[in-house]
Amino acid sequence: GAGVSQSPSNKVTEKGKDVELRCDPISGHTALYWYRQSLGQGLEFLIYFQGNSAPDKSGLPSDRFSAERTGGSVSTLTIQRTQQEDSAVYLCASNRGLASYEQYFGPGTRLTVT
Amino acid sequence: GENVEQHPSTLSVQEGDSAVIKCTYSDSASNYFPWYKQELGKRPQLIIDIRSNVGEKKDQRIAVTLNKTAKHFSLHITETQPEDSAVYFCAASGSGTYKYIFGTGTRLKVLA
Repeated sequence: GAGVSQSPSNKVTEKGKDVELRCDPISGHTALYWYRQSLGQGLEFLIYFQGNSAPDKSGLPSDRFSAERTGGSVSTLTIQRTQQEDSAVYLCASNRGLASYEQYFGPGTRLTVT
Repeated sequence: GENVEQHPSTLSVQEGDSAVIKCTYSDSASNYFPWYKQELGKRPQLIIDIRSNVGEKKDQRIAVTLNKTAKHFSLHITETQPEDSAVYFCAASGSGTYKYIFGTGTRLKVLA
């Protein structure tokens, strides 16, 4: 079946602009996760959704970052007033949640803030 | 807070030799430990995982060991091949929410 998809694959934006990144999880996966991977670095947890609610948003680096999930499916990560330090690959992952552990990753969105 | 340390950051081995990557976690409530392989420009792919009720797991040339008392777990790759060259990440599941806390990654280079 289809895997996790993300769009756009690449996004170049000017400092100060807002961006929206989209994640389509695997059908039936109730849990959805956003991570950030800076160049040559590890994966940094941002936020976790179970259904449409976010029980853990402890990784969001500032109030410029927000995320929502609707219909228990698609999620959007929004970064307002982008800064150069926001440049990274944003990865989304999903799994069945609760009783299931393995997370399946999407291809990521490479964000470049100029 | 929750933390996972991973060593070494880079590792070069000759083809056919073994490679070992080690991780230490801080949250004693962690109960799931996956290992992901990430090739350049690609998404992370799960290669092996272990749960806290198991001490060792093997899948062909790959094995993972877990020492819950010491909060250590390790990835072992035997008979390495050039296609094993990639960045490997360990992770520990955060207690309760199933989020992963990732290590900083190990860049493995297998020399032909």
